[in-house]
Amino acid sequence: EVQLVESGGGLVQPGGSLRISCAASGFTFSSYYMTWVRQAPGKGLEWVANIRPDANDKFYADSVKGRFTISRDNVENSLYLQVTSLRVEDTAVYYCARWGKDSSGWFLDYWGQGTVVTVSS
Amino acid sequence: QTVVTQEPSLTVSPGGTVTLTCASSTGAVTSGFYPNWFQQKPGQPPRALIYGVSNKHSWTPARFSGSLLGGKAALTLSGVQPEDESEYYCLLYDGRGWVFGGGTKLTVL
Repeated sequence: EVQLVESGGGLVQPGGSLRISCAASGFTFSSYYMTWVRQAPGKGLEWVANIRPDANDKFYADSVKGRFTISRDNVENSLYLQVTSLRVEDTAVYYCARWGKDSSGWFLDYWGQGTVVTVSS
Repeated sequence: QTVVTQEPSLTVSPGGTVTLTCASSTGAVTSGFYPNWFQQKPGQPPRALIYGVSNKHSWTPARFSGSLLGGKAALTLSGVQPEDESEYYCLLYDGRGWVFGGGTKLTVL
């Protein structure tokens, strides 16, 4: 059974930093692109970042470029998001999800339950 | 910055049919946008429904279908059930990254 479990969220002051994690199990983690998606309270979904299976390529939304860093440890089967220079508007539930691909295209098939990051003074 | 637009809200009667759409500010949506559709209930993560325009995941109920309609991606629910009341999001690839639509709140009434 595919499982994705996020952790590491919390309350942070504006300008602060945090590293959130996603523990993966039930599939060959090192073979899959992974992603972070966030959702501000009462708002819609926002794609944040993608990372290739070998971590050699990373892609970011303009809203977080230069402040957030996605990474992974294929030995520990874990995905990470280092968030820095946090702003109030970064307050959200942060989800990790798995990318799949077949002949019809790309898809996000499995999602974690999310971890809450709150940026407030 | 690409903007993806969905109907903010729709209402459908139980047993009825409803179509949700997903438009891109860059032009007509095609298969190259790899449209995905997700269902989200309050307090839960999104659940994948449709990808690659019209492909279903193994868990997607048969009453859900995807298509391209008038330059937009579309999600059609046929024979709507009360449990289909949810928020629905589309996701498109714009050549630089991925963009979610603002979501459609579907009410079954």
